[in-house]
Amino acid sequence: GAGVSQSPSNKVTEKGKDVELRCDPISGHTALYWYRQSLGQGLEFLIYFQGNSAPDKSGLPSDRFSAERTGGSVSTLTIQRTQQEDSAVYLCASSLGRYTEAFFGQGTRLTVV
Amino acid sequence: AQTVTQSQPEMSVQEAETVTLSCTYDTSESDYYLFWYKQPPSRQMILVIRQEAYKQQNATENRFSVNFQKAAKSFSLKISDSQLGDAAMYFCAYRSKGNAGGTSYGKLTFGQGTILTVHP
Repeated sequence: GAGVSQSPSNKVTEKGKDVELRCDPISGHTALYWYRQSLGQGLEFLIYFQGNSAPDKSGLPSDRFSAERTGGSVSTLTIQRTQQEDSAVYLCASSLGRYTEAFFGQGTRLTVV
Repeated sequence: AQTVTQSQPEMSVQEAETVTLSCTYDTSESDYYLFWYKQPPSRQMILVIRQEAYKQQNATENRFSVNFQKAAKSFSLKISDSQLGDAAMYFCAYRSKGNAGGTSYGKLTFGQGTILTVHP
């Protein structure tokens, strides 16, 4: 595709349910990032995939959060047993290499009720 | 670990005037990238400008320019001839070059953001 695609655009879920957020990076991009952005706030780093290297998971806030990247392309961020504080916009970005700028998707707005 | 600080939560400017957004960062690395991203209400992050640390010349992109002070670890964004469409949240970001194979290699770290309001 022409850009980074995230789905769904919006997700409303009940507290305690599991959710999966999907990110399709730009074809050929080796680096993929997940960030979380609470209303009117900055970007909180979650996880970073770079090629075949072990992912940097240092930003995942708890063991309820996990992410995988299959075949070096599509990534899924999974949140188990969602809590109200998980409500935020989840942004995905990808870049061609280690040094180039990152291109962002439009994000998934997650609301936990 | 690298940190990025934007000390101005909000800024405002009159249309056609100039405004400067501040950013400082902390790193022990000598070579890295710095970026400014814009996030309008549509929430789509857009790259505004980037600077390579080993280049002494400040980057410019049309009405946007930076003042990169490597020794002071400062990277401010100047917007000239401000337009209504410049209203957005602006993020400063640091990209590590790190060590090849290390988990921080290429990691992108953002500041807290500055909300820019442009008054007609």
